Amino acid sequence: AQTVTQSQPEMSVQEAETVTLSCTYDTSESDYYLFWYKQPPSRQMILVIRQEAYKQQNATENRFSVNFQKAAKSFSLKISDSQLGDAAMYFCAYEDSGGGADGLTFGKGTHLIIQP
Amino acid sequence: DVKVTQSSRYLVKRTGEKVFLECVQDMDHENMFWYRQDPGLGLRLIYFSYDVKMKEKGDIPEGYSVSREKKERFSLILESASTNQTSMYLCASSLGTLNSPLHFGNGTRLTVT
Repeated sequence: AQTVTQSQPEMSVQEAETVTLSCTYDTSESDYYLFWYKQPPSRQMILVIRQEAYKQQNATENRFSVNFQKAAKSFSLKISDSQLGDAAMYFCAYEDSGGGADGLTFGKGTHLIIQP
Repeated sequence: DVKVTQSSRYLVKRTGEKVFLECVQDMDHENMFWYRQDPGLGLRLIYFSYDVKMKEKGDIPEGYSVSREKKERFSLILESASTNQTSMYLCASSLGTLNSPLHFGNGTRLTVT
């Protein structure tokens, strides 16, 4: 079974600074998908960014980018110019290419605190 | 925008009660999921469904069952609620294609006393 590990239960960053959240995963598959989800306090979980394993180029969405290291099975999320609204739980997730119906495997989450 | 609606935001039930958690999505998604979220444990998949009347066990199905009689609705059933089922329950849906993101509901915080 695949596993997803987020080694940082909590991170803190000053507003406007850059922060990187770590994620590693374990799989024997060569083709898969990786995601970062954000869950603000008392609010709905939403997708932040996703990466296809067969793509070498790192995904970017505005201030959010990933550093995907396939050989190392690492998928970190970088948030640039942190804003107060970025405060949330962040979950890394994995999906293999066997089909979209099996659901994602999630890490335990990283609680991101933004210091004003 | 996809909307996934969970019928209750907060629910308090007694041990032994039968509990129904309802979830409805409005985007004709094939796949629907029930996750349980606990501090320090992340999200764990309870059950999922890829079609009407179809269901598959996830990682922690014990003590739960599900029903999907209509494409838009996916119900989670606790046959006899226990205190260790106190948790946040998240429903999600997605298209039946690879790499399609999950769309989550707001969650139901269930307390079993």
